[in-house]
Amino acid sequence: AQKITQTQPGMFVQEKEAVTLDCTYDTSDQSYGLFWYKQPSSGEMIFLIYQGSYDEQNATEGRYSLNFQKARKSANLVISASQLGDSAMYFCAMREGRNNAGNMLTFGGGTRLMVKP
Amino acid sequence: EPEVTQTPSHQVTQMGQEVILRCVPISNHLYFYWYRQILGQKVEFLVSFYNNEISEKSEIFDDQFSVERPDGSNFTLKIRSTKLEDSAMYFCASSRRLGPVEQFFGPGTRLTVL
Repeated sequence: AQKITQTQPGMFVQEKEAVTLDCTYDTSDQSYGLFWYKQPSSGEMIFLIYQGSYDEQNATEGRYSLNFQKARKSANLVISASQLGDSAMYFCAMREGRNNAGNMLTFGGGTRLMVKP
Repeated sequence: EPEVTQTPSHQVTQMGQEVILRCVPISNHLYFYWYRQILGQKVEFLVSFYNNEISEKSEIFDDQFSVERPDGSNFTLKIRSTKLEDSAMYFCASSRRLGPVEQFFGPGTRLTVL
């Protein structure tokens, strides 16, 4: 089974509108972390936001927020007031706690977001 | 703001040749990683490194691969005898500590094997 599933291969959003990128995960660990990274066309991986499994509040970083629904095992990224520069690939990733001495991140397949002017 | 750097940005090599990809992690970080991303696919974990030894490696990281921290700043990935399927973007990353903390990625090295 996939550990990280991103069901939206591509999405369009109108500039200045909000958009939600879906991410569901599969783990039996109690302690884990969820990450979102942005990959623009230039190729680098930019860290956006992190949510720990024990965090009670949803993480927020500027225009990015994470809609964390633990019971549903979902960690959706919400981008408010989309900008043209938000057009990129977005990857959800998980760091499981158990038997992970190497701190490995497992990535989803990504969602390509395209912001329309 | 401190960042992870990688050189070269693009490497072209012939099949069977050895390549060394170089990374300078963030200076106060203790954990280092290599990931790769084949064009159009997801990012895959290769190896993590701490205290001068490998902490964990994936199935991809076979005997053709090795990592080294030759001095106090550089972290290298060596592929001994490159294959066509090694063509990918290779990302170095680092983190301050173990656990669910952010890993900061470098800009990547695009490796093309001909």
